[in-house]
Order: sequence, then structure tokens, then C-alpha cells
Amino acid sequence: GQSLEQPSEVTAVEGAIVQINCTYQTSGFYGLSWYQQHDGGAPTFLSYNGLDGLEETGRFSSFLSRSDSYGYLLLQELQMKDSASYFCAGNTGGFKTIFGAGTRLFVKA
Amino acid sequence: DTGVSQDPRHKITKRGQNVTFRCDPISEHNRLYWYRQTLGQGPEFLTYFQNEAQLEKSRLLSDRFSAERPKGSFSTLEIQRTEQGDSAMYLCASSLVRSTTDYEQYFGPGTRLTVT
Repeated sequence: GQSLEQPSEVTAVEGAIVQINCTYQTSGFYGLSWYQQHDGGAPTFLSYNGLDGLEETGRFSSFLSRSDSYGYLLLQELQMKDSASYFCAGNTGGFKTIFGAGTRLFVKA
Repeated sequence: DTGVSQDPRHKITKRGQNVTFRCDPISEHNRLYWYRQTLGQGPEFLTYFQNEAQLEKSRLLSDRFSAERPKGSFSTLEIQRTEQGDSAMYLCASSLVRSTTDYEQYFGPGTRLTVT
């Protein structure tokens, strides 16, 4: 089967750094994507890791270790607007995408 | 606004009725995906298209669900004989796949279905 696990909630303070972990159990995954979703909004793409290692995009970085079936999303210099749900998603060779249940991030002042 | 539109945005229907949703993807995108999302969960894969060809349909879907993408442009998702368990947000996404790393999907605003 294919499944991804991530913590249900994370709380951090404004200006801090937070890491959201994702472990997956699957075969045939080519890489890991991350999406952000604000309440009432649609998911928006943040990053994709097709190779092991770190990908950096501004304040957001994502990491993948395929040997450990593990990845994480790192958010730096947290802002109040970063309060949202974050989903890791496993991507297959056919471009089918399986989403985790999401991590709700609360950023406090 | 990602450029993906869905219609209607909200639909309330009585159990047993049929409903149809429409998705208009970004025009040059060759892939189109349908997902279902319930509160507190991630998007659940339903089906996807490469141009007009439906490549895969989730085994979770019953035969009451059908999707089409005529001419590789807009897509429709039909649910026949709706049940209360079908109440959810139905999301459409599109992408332009040119290489093995083109995984970025652009999501529409969704259609919220309520079955009473």
C-alpha cells in the first residue's frame, strides 16, 4: 500500500524555525512534494524533491532521504501568514500523487 | 487565482440525486486530476487524465463516479445516486508534464458538495 504519515499539529512562535516531518511507506514513489493550504483555500505547491538532499526556495526548504523513506519541510523566519495546513505528497512514476493527512501549523505572536 | 476554475463552487443536493461538476484547467496543461477532500484530511486521489485519456481511477471509487475530459480540455465529474458520505470538497488540479520532474499541480478553488 501507499501511505504517508506526518504530525497532526505543530505550534511555533513568529520568527522561529519549524520542521514538519513526513515518513512514507510505499513502493514506486519517485519523489516527495509539499503543499500549503490555508483555511478555505486550495492547496498550493511549495516544493518537490526528486533526489535525496535539500531543496531551498526562499524561507522554505525541503529534504528527502529515500533510503529512510523520510522527508521534511523546514520553514524559517516564521510569519503569522504561515499558519496553514501543510501536506506532504508522494509522487509516482505515472504522476499520480498520494497526499498525507496534513500538519496544521499554528504560528503565535 | 491559479487559473484553474471549477463550477459550481457549492452544491446542495438530496440523497439519490445525480450531480455533475466542471473543471476548466490552465489551457496548455496536459494533465488533469480530481481529488476529494474532507475536513482535516489531505486530498484523496480520485482519477487523472493525460489529455483526453483517463489513465487511472481510484479503487476507492464506486461505479457511481465517472469522469470525462472530452478533447483534452475541460473535465466533468459526475456522481450518480448521491449518498451522504459523498459530502466533501471536490478539487480539480492541472499540470504541464514535460519531464520526469514536473510534479507541480495547480489546484482550483473546489466544489463543496453537501448531500442532505
